[in-house]
Amino acid sequence: DVKVTQSSRYLVKRTGEKVFLECVQDMDHENMFWYRQDPGLGLRLIYFSYDVKMKEKGDIPEGYSVSREKKERFSLILESASTNQTSMYLCASYRAGELFFGEGSRLTVL
Amino acid sequence: DQQVKQNSPSLSVQEGRISILNCDYTNSMFDYFLWYKKYPAEGPTFLISISSIKDKNEDGRFTVFLNKSAKHLSLHIVPSQPGDSAVYFCAAKSGSARQLTFGSGTQLTVLP
Repeated sequence: DVKVTQSSRYLVKRTGEKVFLECVQDMDHENMFWYRQDPGLGLRLIYFSYDVKMKEKGDIPEGYSVSREKKERFSLILESASTNQTSMYLCASYRAGELFFGEGSRLTVL
Repeated sequence: DQQVKQNSPSLSVQEGRISILNCDYTNSMFDYFLWYKKYPAEGPTFLISISSIKDKNEDGRFTVFLNKSAKHLSLHIVPSQPGDSAVYFCAAKSGSARQLTFGSGTQLTVLP
């Protein structure tokens, strides 16, 4: 079974703080993704990566950056958190037409 | 502009009856469609998929129907069970693209 692990299930941060969300997958997948889920908006793609050190912007990259230094690890960075970034963040890896998601990280920015 | 639309935010069904969840898309380049199920505080899990070369795919209680001319797909769950209560997301991709485009989700509640 594919396992995608997100390091933090729940985080509370203050406006302006730098936030790191970590994601690790154990199946040697090349493709990894960060989505955010908001009520009524579904899942929206923030960034994705096809390979180590490669990154591509998704539909809503503003206010975010990513890092892919190792194949198994894909990090999402909020340089200066804002209240509108309060959301559920979902990491996923890809194989054969299917995304495998982690359990999600619920971020609250006060 | 939403390319994948789920126009019903919620649906309630009696246990044992059929649940029908609908999804419309606008991008004619989409050729592969998936349904994901999500429980609260968990990540989405894959449920069933269909390629554009088919119009129906069945897996146990779950069947997905694709109407390409109408750019519409639907997920049928028969019979519905209380454990099916979750948010269901429709997703689509085109060609060799890896990224999926998701709809806004439908909250299904199956009443005992």
